[in-house]
Amino acid sequence: GENVEQHPSTLSVQEGDSAVIKCTYSDSASNYFPWYKQELGKRPQLIIDIRSNVGEKKDQRIAVTLNKTAKHFSLHITETQPEDSAVYFCAASSRYSSASKIIFGSGTRLSIRP
Amino acid sequence: EAQVTQNPRYLITVTGKKLTVTCSQNMNHEYMSWYRQDPGLGLRQIYYSMNVEVTDKGDVPEGYKVSRKEKRNFPLILESPSPNQTSLYFCASSLFGGQYNSPLHFGNGTRLTVT
Repeated sequence: GENVEQHPSTLSVQEGDSAVIKCTYSDSASNYFPWYKQELGKRPQLIIDIRSNVGEKKDQRIAVTLNKTAKHFSLHITETQPEDSAVYFCAASSRYSSASKIIFGSGTRLSIRP
Repeated sequence: EAQVTQNPRYLITVTGKKLTVTCSQNMNHEYMSWYRQDPGLGLRQIYYSMNVEVTDKGDVPEGYKVSRKEKRNFPLILESPSPNQTSLYFCASSLFGGQYNSPLHFGNGTRLTVT
């Protein structure tokens, strides 16, 4: 079945450095790739998303890249800050009009060291 | 305020006692979905609904039921809960599903413990 693999499961970076989280998907019909941030005890919230007709998208310190050929996409956070500490989930969603399964990665716990 | 509201936030119950977790959204979203979150497994989709009276199984539907009689409500029903259903549950909605995928808005979560 469809699968999304996410790496690494934990990541610790020095404040001010960059963090990169990578995801690989299996369903070639996937066309929508959101990233969610979940702070401790809170709900997941969308931070950035990308569609299959775009290769890269940036929003201030956050960027996402998509390689459709290799079926992988990555989240890049630059100039990390303490408030970036959270669990990050990638997801892939199918373009089938009659169904809409959303498959999440297993999550990456990002810790920012002061 | 635009939001997804699920209740209760915490629930402790015993094996076999039927329970319902409610979910309501006020954004006129067509798509609604339920997820369970377990350590190391991320968010797994239980059921989803593309619109009123249309529901379909996600990846882990066994032991759960849902209904979508009104656009705003999407309750999750556990007819006979078992300890392996102890988990953190999230309801979510989005404007569209299918080929017009759009971002999910999550509720605050329901932490369920089945003893």
